[in-house]
Amino acid sequence: GDSVTQMEGPVTLSEEAFLTINCTYTATGYPSLFWYVQYPGEGLQLLLKATKADDKGSNKGFEATYRKETTSFHLEKGSVQVSDSAVYFCAPSGSARQLTFGSGTQLTVLP
Amino acid sequence: DVKVTQSSRYLVKRTGEKVFLECVQDMDHENMFWYRQDPGLGLRLIYFSYDVKMKEKGDIPEGYSVSREKKERFSLILESASTNQTSMYLCASSPPGGEDSPLHFGNGTRLTVT
Repeated sequence: GDSVTQMEGPVTLSEEAFLTINCTYTATGYPSLFWYVQYPGEGLQLLLKATKADDKGSNKGFEATYRKETTSFHLEKGSVQVSDSAVYFCAPSGSARQLTFGSGTQLTVLP
Repeated sequence: DVKVTQSSRYLVKRTGEKVFLECVQDMDHENMFWYRQDPGLGLRLIYFSYDVKMKEKGDIPEGYSVSREKKERFSLILESASTNQTSMYLCASSPPGGEDSPLHFGNGTRLTVT
């Protein structure tokens, strides 16, 4: 079945630092790939997505590129802010319109 | 904006009780999902539904059932709550559109079974 391996947290960074959260997946075919973010006390919300190889998804300064050759979808941001503190989930779409979620990476950004 | 509303933010129940978790979405979405979220395990799919009165088992359906009598409402039922069902429960919905359709989540219900 489909699976996803996501960088373990927690990750603690200072404001304006560079962020990378690694995500690799196994899936049948070429799934769409998603990053979701969960702010404290809230449900998950879509951060960005990419639907085919070499696509780059971007939102709120975050980026991730669909790498078919390495089956990866790493999340990056050049300069994090305190307000980016949250849990981040990588999720390739699986069969039957289901998403397979990674275990989540807790990010804390210190001022 | 899509709104997915879960009826309770916090719930405390006793072992053996029958528990109902309610979820309502206001965007006429066909697809609805129930996940549980546990530290270190991410989100695990319990049940999902693609249409009224239709349900399919997810990865961890044991000890749960669901009901979808109306398109906008998807209920998760714990027939006899146990302490290992203490968790955060998240409901989500999505429109038709195959695997490109993102999920819209509610804010979750934190259930404690004592």
